[in-house]
Amino acid sequence: GQNIDQPTEMTATEGAIVQINCTYQTSGFNGLFWYQQHAGEAPTFLSYNVLDGLEEKGRFSSFLSRSKGYSYLLLKELQMKDSASYLCAAPVAGAGSYQLTFGKGTKLSVIP
Amino acid sequence: GAVVSQHPSWVICKSGTSVKIECRSLDFQATTMFWYRQFPKQSLMLMATSNEGSKATYEQGVEKDKFLINHASLTLSTLTVTSAHPEDSSFYICSAPIRISENSNQPQHFGDGTRLSIL
Repeated sequence: GQNIDQPTEMTATEGAIVQINCTYQTSGFNGLFWYQQHAGEAPTFLSYNVLDGLEEKGRFSSFLSRSKGYSYLLLKELQMKDSASYLCAAPVAGAGSYQLTFGKGTKLSVIP
Repeated sequence: GAVVSQHPSWVICKSGTSVKIECRSLDFQATTMFWYRQFPKQSLMLMATSNEGSKATYEQGVEKDKFLINHASLTLSTLTVTSAHPEDSSFYICSAPIRISENSNQPQHFGDGTRLSIL
């Protein structure tokens, strides 16, 4: 089965750095995804990690440690528009395509 | 541009009404589509997997007679919420997965979601 845990809420200041953690337990590993979801909108893809280490993409970076079942999303130079829910997700290979299991999401509030 | 189109984006209707939501893949074929439901302040929960030309696979606790899924073509899946009640009010999102053989680092393309409000 799949089990994904992440904090429910976080608050950070505009311009700061915030790290959102995710721990996972999966039957078979096919990588780990991070999505951003603004209220009332569908999730948008942020990052994908399948190997250990840090993947940097502009202000957002994602880290993975497969041995620890741990990932984090790092957001730098926070902007007000970064206020959203951040979902950690693990794919499960099905019949030729992937099904995603989502964590409950971390609601990030960026304050001035 | 969008690769999955979901319609309508917002529905408000009376209790007892049946509501149909469409999910279309644009410029690609999707033999499988996923339907999710998200209640306020909660995560996306998979409701069912829609399979072209065969019956949908429902997750535990989801009533198949309540949530009718039809995947009649390779580009269209529909979810019909039958006799909707206020407790069915939620955000419904569809997605079309990428084939593993395409080696893409994005597993799914999401529609924009449908916000259903039952009065």
